[in-house]
Amino acid sequence: KAGVTQTPRYLIKTRGQQVTLSCSPISGHRSVSWYQQTPGQGLQFLFEYFSETQRNKGNFPGRFSGRQFSNSRSEMNVSTLELGDSALYLCASTGQNTIYFGEGSWLTVV
Amino acid sequence: GESVGLHLPTLSVQEGDNSIINCAYSNSASDYFIWYKQESGKGPQFIIDIRSNMDKRQGQRVTVLLNKTVKHLSLQIAATQPGDSAVYFCAEPATHQAGTALIFGKGTTLSVSS
Repeated sequence: KAGVTQTPRYLIKTRGQQVTLSCSPISGHRSVSWYQQTPGQGLQFLFEYFSETQRNKGNFPGRFSGRQFSNSRSEMNVSTLELGDSALYLCASTGQNTIYFGEGSWLTVV
Repeated sequence: GESVGLHLPTLSVQEGDNSIINCAYSNSASDYFIWYKQESGKGPQFIIDIRSNMDKRQGQRVTVLLNKTVKHLSLQIAATQPGDSAVYFCAEPATHQAGTALIFGKGTTLSVSS
């Protein structure tokens, strides 16, 4: 059974640009969550989607957004990138009351 | 407020020793706790979880202990191996929110020397 798949794995963007990250959950999982991981703040919850609806949202500015498609795949978007948005962005899918993480997308903003 | 914290940011042990990683939580209403292992360059990997109606749960070479009186949980790794070197996080579900949002502790870096 394939795990949580995230693309791209690495990317570099310039301040002011926007970025879209993609996540394919484990087959059969309908809940997808996104987290930001930085050395200073650790792992922080961004938002969760279930059946194409945002069910939960963390304390991040509106520049961070997401969506989920009918096949449970999810994307997150960050607009007007700032240097502080450089981080590892992790996607997680939930099944059988267990939350599984992908390998993450490393975003560097220069 | 809610917070999940670990007592020590780093822990160094010799191969074959037992390791104990600690975590303190502040929300007495938390009913579920999870331990994750994160190796360098990888995403967090589920290790073991425990419900608040349990005091202890064992897995393969790992044991989680929960002390609700002092709001403390620990992860014990038996016969620690070099492959156990990683950052370990405890996590709990965020309250007052539907769904599966997790609050993570800061993490303990376990270094195993052979």
